[in-house]
Amino acid sequence: DAGVIQSPRHEVTEMGQEVTLRCKPISGHDYLFWYRQTMMRGLELLIYFNNNVPIDDSGMPEDRFSAKMPNASFSTLKIQPSEPRDSAVYFCASSLGMGPQHFGDGTRLSIL
Amino acid sequence: AQSVTQLGSHVSVSEGALVLLRCNYSSSVPPYLFWYVQYPNQGLQLLLKYTTGATLVKGINGFEAEFKKSETSFHLTKPSAHMSDAAEYFCAVSAMNRDDKIIFGKGTRLHILP
Repeated sequence: DAGVIQSPRHEVTEMGQEVTLRCKPISGHDYLFWYRQTMMRGLELLIYFNNNVPIDDSGMPEDRFSAKMPNASFSTLKIQPSEPRDSAVYFCASSLGMGPQHFGDGTRLSIL
Repeated sequence: AQSVTQLGSHVSVSEGALVLLRCNYSSSVPPYLFWYVQYPNQGLQLLLKYTTGATLVKGINGFEAEFKKSETSFHLTKPSAHMSDAAEYFCAVSAMNRDDKIIFGKGTRLHILP
């Protein structure tokens, strides 16, 4: 079975632009997580969904960040407008129940 | 609520030597415990997990961890380090039988010296 698929793998854009990160979870998994990883702050949980419903978005930094899960096989994380401090690696992960999470390979985002 | 503390953000061992990465947890209910590994430019991969039963858990690549309730610890070990073990390792905890998110530690970067 395919793992968690994230796109794009790399994104470089100028500050002020809208950025959309995409994730396809493993089929059958009912939880989906968005994380951000930086050298300074480590791995941070931004938001997670259960059965396409957002459960906890307390980790979302500010209103510039939004996430959606329109169906069980797709989720997006959007940053609008983007700022240089948003530069990080963003990971999507999925799980069956609260079992082990399966991570995608991440999107390396650079905001110039 | 759960929390995880990983002792040492960087650990260096010689090739062939014992690997010991320390993890202590805090949980108000029986925990599920996990170790994940992250290689450069990749996402996290599950190494091993403890749910119930045997307290010594064996994982992939020769790693194992022992759940010690009295010490609230879940240290990761490998008898003989290999160069390919160089990576970042994350300990994580969640609450057994509850719908709580997994809490990750800050990670330990393992360096293997030739």
